[in-house]
Amino acid sequence: KNEVEQSPQNLTAQEGEFITINCSYSVGISALHWLQQHPGGGIVSLFMLSSGKKKHGRLIATINIQEKHSSLHITASHPRDSAVYICAASGGSNYKLTFGKGTLLTVNP
Amino acid sequence: DTEVTQTPKHLVMGMTNKKSLKCEQHMGHRAMYWYKQKAKKPPELMFVYSYEKLSINESVPSRFSPECPNSSLLNLHLHALQPEDSALYLCASSLTDGGPSYEQYFGPGTRLTVT
Repeated sequence: KNEVEQSPQNLTAQEGEFITINCSYSVGISALHWLQQHPGGGIVSLFMLSSGKKKHGRLIATINIQEKHSSLHITASHPRDSAVYICAASGGSNYKLTFGKGTLLTVNP
Repeated sequence: DTEVTQTPKHLVMGMTNKKSLKCEQHMGHRAMYWYKQKAKKPPELMFVYSYEKLSINESVPSRFSPECPNSSLLNLHLHALQPEDSALYLCASSLTDGGPSYEQYFGPGTRLTVT
């Protein structure tokens, strides 16, 4: 069983909509990472957070350590936001990233 | 400079060929990683170098041979690969690999096709 679960697996939205992608983890972590991957492309690190909330432009990431849950929000979504968003956990005695299976986001114009 | 570069972008090789993938960063990071990613799957860790020494080998077959000639460069030497090794190979780096978590910076990847 994967220790990092993401939902939904697929998400289709209309341009301008508010998007939420969820991530739950079952292991102790030192940080939670949100990554973006465009089709056929490399990976871009969006956020790394261990508590609270971070904001960068239209992207907001939150984490609730007690509930072992993180969310990635996209405000005013745009077709260029279409990508796979991956949640990954790091820390404990193992510094490796444990990846979720990713959420494929499609934003239609 | 917050960039990890990888060359080549695409590589097609036969099963008897020997080729190498190259990764470079100039952020002063002392941990570098190789990942393999199959289509529609998350990346799988292959190797980790820490301070130019191999610290993790995730039971990767010996036909993949990593090398870290200096703190900025990471190579992956390929020999006698199989068609199932076709994948996107991603390099990443972070400040270090121990202690508190550090953000990993990923390169654009090399798309490898083994024929």
